[in-house]
Amino acid sequence: DVKVTQSSRYLVKRTGEKVFLECVQDMDHENMFWYRQDPGLGLRLIYFSYDVKMKEKGDIPEGYSVSREKKERFSLILESASTNQTSMYLCASSFGTGRFRETQYFGPGTRLLVL
Amino acid sequence: KNEVEQSPQNLTAQEGEFITINCSYSVGISALHWLQQHPGGGIVSLFMLSSGKKKHGRLIATINIQEKHSSLHITASHPRDSAVYICSSISGGSEKLVFGKGTKLTVNP
Repeated sequence: DVKVTQSSRYLVKRTGEKVFLECVQDMDHENMFWYRQDPGLGLRLIYFSYDVKMKEKGDIPEGYSVSREKKERFSLILESASTNQTSMYLCASSFGTGRFRETQYFGPGTRLLVL
Repeated sequence: KNEVEQSPQNLTAQEGEFITINCSYSVGISALHWLQQHPGGGIVSLFMLSSGKKKHGRLIATINIQEKHSSLHITASHPRDSAVYICSSISGGSEKLVFGKGTKLTVNP
């Protein structure tokens, strides 16, 4: 079974802190994705990566950066956390070169609260 | 800009009923996904469609490219089907991923 793990299920941070959310997949997938999910807005793509050290912006990259130094790990960084970044963050991975046209496997999510 | 609309927003059914959830999109797409999100938050990919129909167990997904519409059907619904069902489309030209806001399904015993 494909396993996508996220470093924390719940996280509480203060405004202005630098926050790291880690995602690891164990199936040698090329593609990895970071989403946030908010009530009434649904899922929105923040960043994705189709190879090590490669990244592309999604719909809402402002205030976020990412890092993919190894194939299995994709990190989302909030450079200076703000209250409007309080959200559920979901990581996903997929195999192949079809970008969004491959089946994505999701992690359990991290609920981030920024105070 | 592609807009993805799901209906209904909320759906309550009795165990055993046939369920239909609808997804409409506004521009030509290359593929569409159906996802299931359980109350704990975990998301599972159910189907990816670019044409026709797919079936997996009690779940059936159809897509009509000309009418820009997809449906997810659940036969003989069960309380464990209670979840939020989300469709997402991939725009044909720009390869942009757009999600619907989800349909919350509750199946009562």
